[in-house]
Amino acid sequence: GNSVTQMEGPVTLSEEAFLTINCTYTATGYPSLFWYVQYPGEGLQLLLKATKADDKGSNKGFEATYRKETTSFHLEKGSVQVSDSAVYFCALSDQTGANNLFFGTGTRLTVIP
Amino acid sequence: GAVVSQHPSRVICKSGTSVKIECRSLDFQATTMFWYRQFPKQSLMLMATSNEGSKATYEQGVEKDKFLINHASLTLSTLTVTSAHPEDSSFYICSAVKDPAGPTDTQYFGPGTRLTVL
Repeated sequence: GNSVTQMEGPVTLSEEAFLTINCTYTATGYPSLFWYVQYPGEGLQLLLKATKADDKGSNKGFEATYRKETTSFHLEKGSVQVSDSAVYFCALSDQTGANNLFFGTGTRLTVIP
Repeated sequence: GAVVSQHPSRVICKSGTSVKIECRSLDFQATTMFWYRQFPKQSLMLMATSNEGSKATYEQGVEKDKFLINHASLTLSTLTVTSAHPEDSSFYICSAVKDPAGPTDTQYFGPGTRLTVL
């Protein structure tokens, strides 16, 4: 079956610190992988995605590389800002054509000045 | 942009009553919308896929008679929790896919509705 396991959190970092949020997955076939972000009071927004092995998704200074050999899609950012405080969700799509997304439990990040 | 709204954002009701939650795509048409449920500290779980003009497709274990879905237009899907009980208390989130939809298209999410059943 399909599942996503991500680092539980919460994570608290000082501004300009390095961020890693771990995400591993189990899937049949060749899934697409996503990171979504949810800012307070808002809906989930797509942060970045990768559709095949070794692809790197990037956006707003965040990066994640699709690693098939380790079934991972870890999210990284070199220097976090207070405005990055949010909940981050790792997800996969099994590409059945139904847009099914399987989510991790979410990781709350708080960045302090 | 691609904005999805939900109404209400928060609702408290008595056990045995029914509650309707609306999901609207504000600036695009969406033949396909999804309804998710999220328990505290748990993943979003897909409940059903809502298709405009046809019956919703429910995930295994989701009672279709309890969670009624109506997708009467290309911008509106509703979820009605019938005869709600405290165990139905949860955070309900909808998403929509822009038309025309493809297998790898992005889902755009609403902000969610917090339901509390007393």
